[in-house]
Amino acid sequence: GENVEQHPSTLSVQEGDSAVIKCTYSDSASNYFPWYKQELGKRPQLIIDIRSNVGEKKDQRIAVTLNKTAKHFSLHITETQPEDSAVYFCAAEEDSWGKFQFGAGTQVVVTP
Amino acid sequence: DAGITQSPRHKVTETGTPVTLRCHQTENHRYMYWYRQDPGHGLRLIHYSYGVKDTDKGEVSDGYSVSRSKTEDFLLTLESATSSQTSVYFCAISEPPETFIYNEQFFGPGTRLTVL
Repeated sequence: GENVEQHPSTLSVQEGDSAVIKCTYSDSASNYFPWYKQELGKRPQLIIDIRSNVGEKKDQRIAVTLNKTAKHFSLHITETQPEDSAVYFCAAEEDSWGKFQFGAGTQVVVTP
Repeated sequence: DAGITQSPRHKVTETGTPVTLRCHQTENHRYMYWYRQDPGHGLRLIHYSYGVKDTDKGEVSDGYSVSRSKTEDFLLTLESATSSQTSVYFCAISEPPETFIYNEQFFGPGTRLTVL
């Protein structure tokens, strides 16, 4: 089955700086890679996703890149703000549709 | 937020007792999932359902069973709770688009379960 590794586990950044979270996956048949943000005490919510036929996708200050050859994908947050402080999870959809493997999460702390 | 509720939201129970968690959706989505969330492990799939009475195991299914008799309800049962099952449990739903290109999951608010 799919295995997803996520790094780093914690990330502290100054407000205004960029943050990058990296994930690797094992199943070359995976085609869909979502990113979720979870604020303290809340449910995970989708913030951006990317499909295997796309190399990069942007949404305002958030971008995701995918390298299918190397089997890794990354989340980029630019101009970080205190409200970006949360836990971020990457995920990869397994070959059998509808099942996901999640990374262990990255705690991002943005300090003013 | 998508129309997903979980009950109870908090529960404290003792080792060896049965526990049932309920997930209820009003979105008429076909797929439903149960995950557990523990520090350092992210979200791990326990069981999922791709339709009424159609369920399958996830990576951490031991000690758990599920049932889905209606589209809107997905029940997770711990037959005999153990301390290792202390966790936050999230339900999720999704609906496959016709082209099966991607599958966005919507999560419920979570249930915090403590087994003493």
